[in-house]
Amino acid sequence: ETGVTQSPTHLIKTRGQQVTLRCSSQSGHNTVSWYQQALGQGPQFIFQYYREEENGRGNFPPRFSGLQFPNYSSELNVNALELDDSALYLCASSSGGQSSYEQYFGPGTRLTVT
Amino acid sequence: GNSVTQMEGPVTLSEEAFLTINCTYTATGYPSLFWYVQYPGEGLQLLLKATKADDKGSNKGFEATYRKETTSFHLEKGSVQVSDSAVYFCALSARANDYKLSFGAGTTVTVRA
Repeated sequence: ETGVTQSPTHLIKTRGQQVTLRCSSQSGHNTVSWYQQALGQGPQFIFQYYREEENGRGNFPPRFSGLQFPNYSSELNVNALELDDSALYLCASSSGGQSSYEQYFGPGTRLTVT
Repeated sequence: GNSVTQMEGPVTLSEEAFLTINCTYTATGYPSLFWYVQYPGEGLQLLLKATKADDKGSNKGFEATYRKETTSFHLEKGSVQVSDSAVYFCALSARANDYKLSFGAGTTVTVRA
């Protein structure tokens, strides 16, 4: 069974640029959730995708957007990067459209905005 | 809204000591409760969970009991090892909040040999 994978591992961008982060869900899972974890804090929910549709969104501005593909992999896009976007971005997959089921996390992408 | 408050760290212990990390929550309805662990440089791993009142989750020597009367889900381990050094997060999910995970701020635990 393949776990959740994310790419890239690390990324450095300049303020104002755009970034795309990628996530492959665990085999058999059709739901992907994205979280932002700032240094020293707990993860904050960004949004969730279930069967290619957005299925819930946290308190993040529209410049954070996402996609889910037919194979259930997902992308997180962030436009007009700000310094405060520097964080670890975590992807989690689960089965079913509700995250009351166990979520399995990937290793994360560390984004640094300078 | 839903929220989780957990004991602030850092916590430093000697090997074989008893570990307790307090966690309390505020939620509408009947949330599911989780403890996740994050080892240095890694993502989150589910440590244990409980889905209804009085349930006890357990894994790798860790335990936590869902106490609805005190809205708590404290994590305990009777004898810690150096390999337990990590950041521990308490979290909840609830139907009223579309089942998204809400996390506490995390507690850093360091176990010394």
